[in-house]
Amino acid sequence: DAGVIQSPRHEVTEMGQEVTLRCKPISGHNSLFWYRQTMMRGLELLIYFNNNVPIDDSGMPEDRFSAKMPNASFSTLKIQPSEPRDSAVYFCASSSYKETQYFGPGTRLLVL
Amino acid sequence: AQSVSQHNHHVILSEAASLELGCNYSYGGTVNLFWYVQYPGQHLQLLLKYFSGDPLVKGIKGFEAEFIKSKFSFNLRKPSVQWSDTAEYFCAVENYGGSQGNLIFGKGTKLSVKP
Repeated sequence: DAGVIQSPRHEVTEMGQEVTLRCKPISGHNSLFWYRQTMMRGLELLIYFNNNVPIDDSGMPEDRFSAKMPNASFSTLKIQPSEPRDSAVYFCASSSYKETQYFGPGTRLLVL
Repeated sequence: AQSVSQHNHHVILSEAASLELGCNYSYGGTVNLFWYVQYPGQHLQLLLKYFSGDPLVKGIKGFEAEFIKSKFSFNLRKPSVQWSDTAEYFCAVENYGGSQGNLIFGKGTKLSVKP
């Protein structure tokens, strides 16, 4: 299995631009999680889905952030408009029922 | 609200020293417990997990952790660390029976091992 796949691995953009991060979970996993990691705040859960349905988005910072999971094999996290304080590493993780979460390699986002 | 506390922010050890990283959580019900490791520049990888059974759990690379329910603790140990263990270690708790997979992570402990 290829594991959780994230793209792009690195993204540099200018403030105000739209950023879209992509995630392909492990096949057969029915839960998908988006995390953000920064030096200041550590690892934060942004949102997670069960069976493509958003369950808890209380960690999404503000309306500039949105996430979708149109099918079991794909999810996006969008930031529009982006701001310098959004610079972080964004991780996607997936799991199956009552099993461990497996993390993707992350997307390093830098907003100038 | 549930929380996970990792008491040490940064631990510096020499090779062959013994390691113990503390983790305490604040949930009174049944929990699943995890330790993840993040090597420099890499993603989180599972080190070990506890769901039920023997409270002493053995993981990869010689790591182990002990679940002490009365102390709400799940400390990570390794008898003799190596330079390659330099990484950040995260403890995480899952509320068993709650929303699936909602892991609560600690802030992490950075381990630096001097050769």
